Amino acid sequence: RKEVEQDPGPFNVPEGATVAFNCTYSNSASQSFFWYRQDCRKEPKLLMSVYSSGNEDGRFTAQLNRASQYISLLIRDSKLSDSATYLCVVNKGDQAGTALIFGKGTTLSVSS
Amino acid sequence: GAGVSQSPSNKVTEKGKDVELRCDPISGHTALYWYRQRLGQGLEFLIYFQGNSAPDKSGLPSDRFSAERTGESVSTLTIQRTQQEDSAVYLCASSLGAGRSEKLFFGSGTQLSVL
Repeated sequence: RKEVEQDPGPFNVPEGATVAFNCTYSNSASQSFFWYRQDCRKEPKLLMSVYSSGNEDGRFTAQLNRASQYISLLIRDSKLSDSATYLCVVNKGDQAGTALIFGKGTTLSVSS
Repeated sequence: GAGVSQSPSNKVTEKGKDVELRCDPISGHTALYWYRQRLGQGLEFLIYFQGNSAPDKSGLPSDRFSAERTGESVSTLTIQRTQQEDSAVYLCASSLGAGRSEKLFFGSGTQLSVL
């Protein structure tokens, strides 16, 4: 099983749609979880951290299910500017300070 | 500068030559990462430095790849006897350290092309 797995997509949705991405991770001892966004030919940038209780930032909601080793990202009211690749990121070991591993990303395309 | 700086931004080399890529992290960031991203692919972890701890080299694809870091500052990634499959963008990132301070700040990358 890969360390971090994501559905590559692409997800093609109209403006205003709600879309959800999933990610699974292999190490049950992982402690740190993030979603990054990468625009074409650009470096990745942090979208949001994922906390155990779930967290929301505007139109974006992240959830963590430790029992299933599963992370999700929900985007409501999609905008054209949300078109990008969304990267699930998990730390490698049982300490928060271990290396961060990226999933291969899920591509989102929002159309008018 | 305020951000992570990588040099060169572009490097074209011939197969079999050695190359050295440089990364200047944000001042005060104890953690430094190198990733490789081939065209249309995801980020592949290469190596991780955290303070004075032994680096995690588990992602280096072969013994042609090595990296060093001087204290908590500059890092260099060296690829010996380059091969065409080494062509990729090499991204460096730094962060304050562990836990919720692990937000990664990326440089703009070095585009390596091996002919």
